Formats: sequence, structure tokens, C-alpha cells
Amino acid sequence: QKEVEQDPGPLSVPEGAIVSLNCTYSNSAFQYFMWYRQYSRKGPELLMYTYSSGNKEDGRFTAQVDKSSKYISLFIRDSQPSDSATYLCAFPMNRDDKIIFGKGTRLHILP
Amino acid sequence: DTAVSQTPKYLVTQMGNDKSIKCEQNLGHDTMYWYKQDSKKFLKIMFSYNNKELIINETVPNRFSPKSPDKAHLNLHINSLELGDSAVYFCASSLTPENTEAFFGQGTRLTVV
Repeated sequence: QKEVEQDPGPLSVPEGAIVSLNCTYSNSAFQYFMWYRQYSRKGPELLMYTYSSGNKEDGRFTAQVDKSSKYISLFIRDSQPSDSATYLCAFPMNRDDKIIFGKGTRLHILP
Repeated sequence: DTAVSQTPKYLVTQMGNDKSIKCEQNLGHDTMYWYKQDSKKFLKIMFSYNNKELIINETVPNRFSPKSPDKAHLNLHINSLELGDSAVYFCASSLTPENTEAFFGQGTRLTVV
């Protein structure tokens, strides 16, 4: 079983829709959960960072963690064309440790 | 069957030394990257090679020199290491330069003492 699984997409949704991006993981030692956004030819930028089960909200973005199912999600409300990018889930073993990345999901928001 | 592998995983070295980090991908991708992770977890792109040719060269000290012997390998050589070089360095690859679906290595934590 792969350590992190993420559907590569592409995922195309109309502007204004709610987007759901997901990752599953197998390593129960993961304590921290992150979502990165990457635009073409740019480095990934950290969007959300959480270390507990439940929901964390930041503007139009909500990160959800279910440790019992080893499943994390990123929801984007009122999606905009500027949200079109690749979204990567990421898992550091410890707070300042190296990070295991998912392969990323390409998201297209259609105007 | 590791897709992108970088070695070593951890590297502790003294100031002034010269060290290399190696990266290999077995995905048949044309494009490879080196990123430096900053204190805010942001990954700053350093270099990108497409089919052994340098296509992105961000502002990094010239003590950092990438070398791509073939399109499956992109090594990072660092001369005269400084304390501020301590960071996690990530290698990645993608099918083309325009393809943002990048596959990342597990990172190399470099500590300069």
C-alpha cells in the first residue's frame, strides 16, 4: 500500500462550485497534515496546516482530518478561476521534519 | 519502486565543507527541480532542468551548482557550506515544464554546524 494516495485529476468544476480534494494515507505515525497549492512553474505554497482531527477553516478553505480513517480533505467554497492550480497533500512526520507529498490533484475552475 | 529518490536523507556537516545531494527519477520525466523549504514550509524553487538543460535558475548563491548528467538525474552540489544553508531540500520531477503534477522526493535535511 502506498504511503500517500491522491487522485491526480484533472478535476474540472464550474465557478462558484464547492470543490472537494482528498488524500488517504497509511502511516498512522503522521501527526501533521498540510495542503499546498502550486501554480504552473512556481513552487508549492502552504495553504493549510493542522495537527488534529476535525475541521480547520481559513476563508474559503476548510481542511478536514479524519485520523481514524486516515483520510484528509480540502474543501474550497465559492471556487474562483484563480483557484485553478495543483493541490498537494503533505505529511511531515514531526513538526519540523521532512515532508511526504501526495502526487497532487490538478484543479480547473471553469468561468 | 521509488519514483523520485534523493540521497542522503540526512546530512550533517561542518561550515566550509563541500557536499552533494543526489536525485534520481525513474518515471521517464523530462523535467527535474530542486526546491529549498523555508521556515514557513514554503518551497522555493532553486533550479529546474528540462532534458539536461537548465531552464529555471532563481537567485541563489553561486555556491549552489546543479548538475544533470542525464535527464533521470539532477544533483545539487554546494560549496563552502554556511550555517544559513541548513534547511530541507526537495527534489522533484514532472513530465514537462508546464506540467504542475510534480512527483517529490522525500527531502534531504541538511544541517550545517
